[in-house]
Amino acid sequence: DAGITQSPRYKITETGRQVTLMCHQTWSHSYMFWYRQDLGHGLRLIYYSAAADITDKGEVPDGYVVSRSKTENFPLTLESATRSQTSVYFCATRGRYEQYFGPGTRLTVT
Amino acid sequence: KQEVTQIPAALSVPEGENLVLNCSFTDSAIYNLQWFRQDPGKGLTSLLLIQSSQREQTSGRLNASLDKSSGRSTLYIAASQPGDSATYLCAVRAGNTPLVFGKGTRLSVIA
Repeated sequence: DAGITQSPRYKITETGRQVTLMCHQTWSHSYMFWYRQDLGHGLRLIYYSAAADITDKGEVPDGYVVSRSKTENFPLTLESATRSQTSVYFCATRGRYEQYFGPGTRLTVT
Repeated sequence: KQEVTQIPAALSVPEGENLVLNCSFTDSAIYNLQWFRQDPGKGLTSLLLIQSSQREQTSGRLNASLDKSSGRSTLYIAASQPGDSATYLCAVRAGNTPLVFGKGTRLSVIA
């Protein structure tokens, strides 16, 4: 089926480890986004990309790295995970008008 | 800087009631506004999209209105059902910038 997929759906890692969250879309939408969602903070934008090889920081980019070598993929890497990065991470794409979200990745950093 | 506010933060109603969720935004220069639904532990599902030139959009029992000049949108849910229980989020977009989200209204419909 067309849409957005995220992997893994659940991840437990240790402080200091590198973790990569994957996001894949089948629509060929130009825009892709990474958000984190935490109680009390709502949805916060981490990074976004307007096209392959074009990325920009959002509200909370520190500690995260993104790349976009292909239109359909937008991986998010936590270079050295911290407990404060325990969260639910959502990837999204945007077509001409509407934004669509993936199912999310629940990340726990111990 | 655009700010989006949703009031109330939580709402509990008996089944069958018609209800209105409110969304306000500080900068009226928007491109469109989108309402989402989020069930616990799930992702966001798009419900309705209103372009800046439109006044309202309808989908089934849902109707969303937009008053750009006053910086307000409402989501009307007719004949509420327990299955409508979820968090409803409003988000606005200006041009090619990312969506700006409100913090949502958590709705409980009691059978």
